[in-house]
Amino acid sequence: NAGVTQTPKFQVLKTGQSMTLQCAQDMNHNSMYWYRQDPGMGLRLIYYSASEGTTDKGEVPNGYNVSRLNKREFSLRLESAAPSQTSVYFCASSESGGNQPQHFGDGTRLSIL
Amino acid sequence: QKEVEQNSGPLSVPEGAIASLNCTYSDRGSQSFFWYRQYSGKSPELIMFIYSNGDKEDGRFTAQLNKASQYVSLLIRDSQPSDSATYLCAVKGSWDGGYNKLIFGAGTRLAVHP
Repeated sequence: NAGVTQTPKFQVLKTGQSMTLQCAQDMNHNSMYWYRQDPGMGLRLIYYSASEGTTDKGEVPNGYNVSRLNKREFSLRLESAAPSQTSVYFCASSESGGNQPQHFGDGTRLSIL
Repeated sequence: QKEVEQNSGPLSVPEGAIASLNCTYSDRGSQSFFWYRQYSGKSPELIMFIYSNGDKEDGRFTAQLNKASQYVSLLIRDSQPSDSATYLCAVKGSWDGGYNKLIFGAGTRLAVHP
């Protein structure tokens, strides 16, 4: 009963390096989301995908790109990492329509030096 | 700017007491409200959600919603040390085009002491 799976769990990058965070869900949900969580600031939405083939910007999209590879997978890419992107990244998924709760993965702890 | 406000705490309560966690929101058209629990170093875990004015009970947890006052709360009865965590309030606004986008508060840290 995996739910939402994120890889990797931890990563250290140097400024300017690129990397992709992976997320997959096995709940047959249409909607998927990427958040970042910083101390004292709560969860902030980076990008979301309402359904396969669509993506939209959230509150803090600058410096990130996303790909909805198929219904299960939604990846987040940092093209040129900056220290300000040091954070904990969470992927979530939900049913579409109505008032559906979101279910979260375990997170990726990313440090950029 | 749509906002969700929570007192950061820590809220300290003795074991067995009622813990009351509060959340206010700015979007009067907000539709649904969620409470998540987050242990240190872990991911948010859904506790319960509420859509209609009034109270909703689930075990030791009660969510209370007052849309006129733009206020939602979570009561935890018979608090246990295992309830010590950060509690996140999340609101689905009237503005999200049906995409289930949520605005999260920064969370209230609850500490239950024996």
